[in-house]
Amino acid sequence: DVKVTQSSRYLVKRTGEKVFLECVQDMDHENMFWYRQDPGLGLRLIYFSYDVKMKEKGDIPEGYSVSREKKERFSLILESASTNQTSMYLCASGGRYSPLHFGNGTRLTVT
Amino acid sequence: AQSVSQHNHHVILSEAASLELGCNYSYGGTVNLFWYVQYPGQHLQLLLKYFSGDPLVKGIKGFEAEFIKSKFSFNLRKPSVQWSDTAEYFCAVNAHLERDDKIIFGKGTRLHILP
Repeated sequence: DVKVTQSSRYLVKRTGEKVFLECVQDMDHENMFWYRQDPGLGLRLIYFSYDVKMKEKGDIPEGYSVSREKKERFSLILESASTNQTSMYLCASGGRYSPLHFGNGTRLTVT
Repeated sequence: AQSVSQHNHHVILSEAASLELGCNYSYGGTVNLFWYVQYPGQHLQLLLKYFSGDPLVKGIKGFEAEFIKSKFSFNLRKPSVQWSDTAEYFCAVNAHLERDDKIIFGKGTRLHILP
């Protein structure tokens, strides 16, 4: 069974802090994605990666960056956290043109 | 740019009622289509998918969806809902782009089934 693991389930950070959200998948998937989920807004794509060291901006990349040094790991970085980045962050992985497998999510609160 | 539109944000039904959740997308090229479900407190799970072939696809738990290419639609249906179907449902489109593929989600439909 595919497993997508997000390092933290809950995270509380202060405004201005640098935040790292880690995601690891164990199915050798090429594609990995970071979404944020907010009530009434659904899932919005932040960044995605279709290969190691490759990254593409999604629909809302501002304030975020990503890193994919290894195929199985895709990190989301908030350079300077702000309160409007309080959200549920979902990592997903999938093969080309195939369904996504999601992690359990990280609920980030920025105070 | 590609987009996905779900018509209903919140649907409330009684048990045994029939369900249809609308989904339209905007992209003129080849697509794969998905419905995901998120039960309260759980992570997103795949409900069903369309890749090619028969436009009427059947998923888990009695759900089905029909791809109508001319209408850019992929509506989700279930003839008789159960209380356990209470969840949030997301339509998603995987647009086959030149270099990579990008999966876009709708805003979700929150379904509440009354016992």
